[in-house]
Amino acid sequence: QVQMVESGGGVVQPGGSLRLSCAASGFSFRTYDMHWVRQAPGKGLEWVAFIRSDGSNKQYADSVEGRFTLSRDNSRNTLYLQMNSLRAEDTALYYCAKGLYDWGSPFDYWGQGTLVTVSS
Amino acid sequence: EIVMTQSPVTLSVSPGERATLSCRASQSVSASLAWYQQKPGQAPRLLIYRASTRATGVPARFSGSGSGTEFTLTISSLQSEDFAVYYCQQYDKWPHSFGQGTKLEIK
Repeated sequence: QVQMVESGGGVVQPGGSLRLSCAASGFSFRTYDMHWVRQAPGKGLEWVAFIRSDGSNKQYADSVEGRFTLSRDNSRNTLYLQMNSLRAEDTALYYCAKGLYDWGSPFDYWGQGTLVTVSS
Repeated sequence: EIVMTQSPVTLSVSPGERATLSCRASQSVSASLAWYQQKPGQAPRLLIYRASTRATGVPARFSGSGSGTEFTLTISSLQSEDFAVYYCQQYDKWPHSFGQGTKLEIK
């Protein structure tokens, strides 16, 4: 069955960095586009970033552009989100999500999320 | 950026009744519209995509309609497990954007 497990969250000071990982299994990871979506405590969903199946194209939300970098290792079935210059407003549960199809796509599978807390 | 606006923010409905949730886009998204259900402590679950296509395993009581800027999610006869928060999402243009959610609660 399709499974995605996020890791790497934790508490970090403002201005700090974290790298999130998403380990995927149960599907042909290398053929699917992937996304990160976040949810601040008690708030709604915010799309964060997208990466094409082969890593050739990436898209970012304006709120993270220039600070977050998305990458993937198809040999390890793993997605990464490098987060730099973290701010209090980046505090959220971060989900990785699989695109149902190419490019603009809804998300048919989600991980359970990893919590990032930015606080001094 | 396309802004998605959902209404109402909270909807109180009795089990067995019909619920109608609305989603409006600030500009046309064609039929590139999805609906998700989220229960407390869980990840979102895809219900509807392409505005009206049910995702795998979604019961027939869930239906979606609309195109362009106006969309509706209808739950024909509410079951206890349907009380949750529902989000619409456009994936027509970057950045993909979600509505703020509608909380469906038991009346």
